[in-house]
Amino acid sequence: DTEVTQTPKHLVMGMTNKKSLKCEQHMGHRAMYWYKQKAKKPPELMFVYSYEKLSINESVPSRFSPECPNSSLLNLHLHALQPEDSALYLCASSQVGAANYGYTFGSGTRLTVV
Amino acid sequence: QKEVEQNSGPLSVPEGAIASLNCTYSDRVSQSFFWYRQYSGKSPELIMSIYSNGDKEDGRFTAQLNKASQYVSLLIRDSQPSDSATYLCAVRGVSSASKIIFGSGTRLSIRP
Repeated sequence: DTEVTQTPKHLVMGMTNKKSLKCEQHMGHRAMYWYKQKAKKPPELMFVYSYEKLSINESVPSRFSPECPNSSLLNLHLHALQPEDSALYLCASSQVGAANYGYTFGSGTRLTVV
Repeated sequence: QKEVEQNSGPLSVPEGAIASLNCTYSDRVSQSFFWYRQYSGKSPELIMSIYSNGDKEDGRFTAQLNKASQYVSLLIRDSQPSDSATYLCAVRGVSSASKIIFGSGTRLSIRP
């Protein structure tokens, strides 16, 4: 299995809603990432988990809350989002142990905040 | 100065020609270099990685790395309309904990 699976593919939520994005991989990767991508911009790193521990938080607002329940799963909990948070949210994974590994991306969740 | 710089394009290339995409990076200790292809509305797909100076070929794709000049490029031979996409250059530092830094991408258009 060489895929990273993200659900849902599309999500529309109101500013008072609470929702979660899910990501799953079965490639044995021990590093997992959340990226945010706006139209015509490169992906921006949000969070990095290494061996299920949060290792990088790129000063992301607290309305985004990541969780890594086990080595295969990564969640992003969303609460009180703003319309400007509408974007493509990408999950990625990679091996840990050398810098020579690129990331494998999931297909993304297209989030619209209304 | 941006950490990873690319010409945003669009770069228009006739079908069957060679497309040449360029990227420069600012951190001299960068270790690993990647090219991702991203179709509109889709997620990035890793197409090439290179770690040593010189050329690396994979099918119609050739990645070139020159660490002294801090320059990495991607050549696409026999360009096809399906190659029309945004190409993201990405760079990673020496540590396995180093994050990958993406360039802003070059939009490539292959005209029939």
